[in-house]
Amino acid sequence: DTAVSQTPKYLVTQMGNDKSIKCEQNLGHDTMYWYKQDSKKFLKIMFSYNNKELIINETVPNRFSPKSPDKAHLNLHINSLELGDSAVYFCASSQDPANEKLFFGSGTQLSVL
Amino acid sequence: GQNIDQPTEMTATEGAIVQINCTYQTSGFNGLFWYQQHAGEAPTFLSYNVLDGLEEKGRFSSFLSRSKGYSYLLLKELQMKDSASYLCVALNQGGYQKVTFGTGTKLQVIP
Repeated sequence: DTAVSQTPKYLVTQMGNDKSIKCEQNLGHDTMYWYKQDSKKFLKIMFSYNNKELIINETVPNRFSPKSPDKAHLNLHINSLELGDSAVYFCASSQDPANEKLFFGSGTQLSVL
Repeated sequence: GQNIDQPTEMTATEGAIVQINCTYQTSGFNGLFWYQQHAGEAPTFLSYNVLDGLEEKGRFSSFLSRSKGYSYLLLKELQMKDSASYLCVALNQGGYQKVTFGTGTKLQVIP
């Protein structure tokens, strides 16, 4: 069974569209994250949720809106997509916010045309 | 904030030993991780050092010196499958602890 699963794996879309990426973890972890990996392979945290509560919100455009319906799910919705949003987005989870050993999903490669 | 430096690329021969260095400048440092990331895949956890010294785990070992702001990952008996990026990651102490990833060292293992 996949521990952290995210869908879709590839997402190709036009500028200006709205899209969502879904993430689920079956590890029983309390904390989930969204990371963005740019073309230079630099991983940067975007959001972190602990038990459905937003605890980290880095400087991210408000076009990006995370939603956590329960602690096993953290979805990412992106409005009005821009060319610069093209990247690989990784979902991750950890046992709790203080235990930052991260378990990553397989990534979603977003290409905005 | 955090600043992490590691070499961009390294090449080593199958069966050899390679050491990947990482230096960091930070306030509130609380530990250091190493992750492995194969091309097109997710990062996977390798090691975590909190105290100074060497942690050995099979073919992989990780070292930390907090006073020098320095860590290294040592890979022994290199295999072709070890070709990957190795990410040095600092854990920053805070209300909710946050990690900062280095840009990674792309290791190529050649026959």
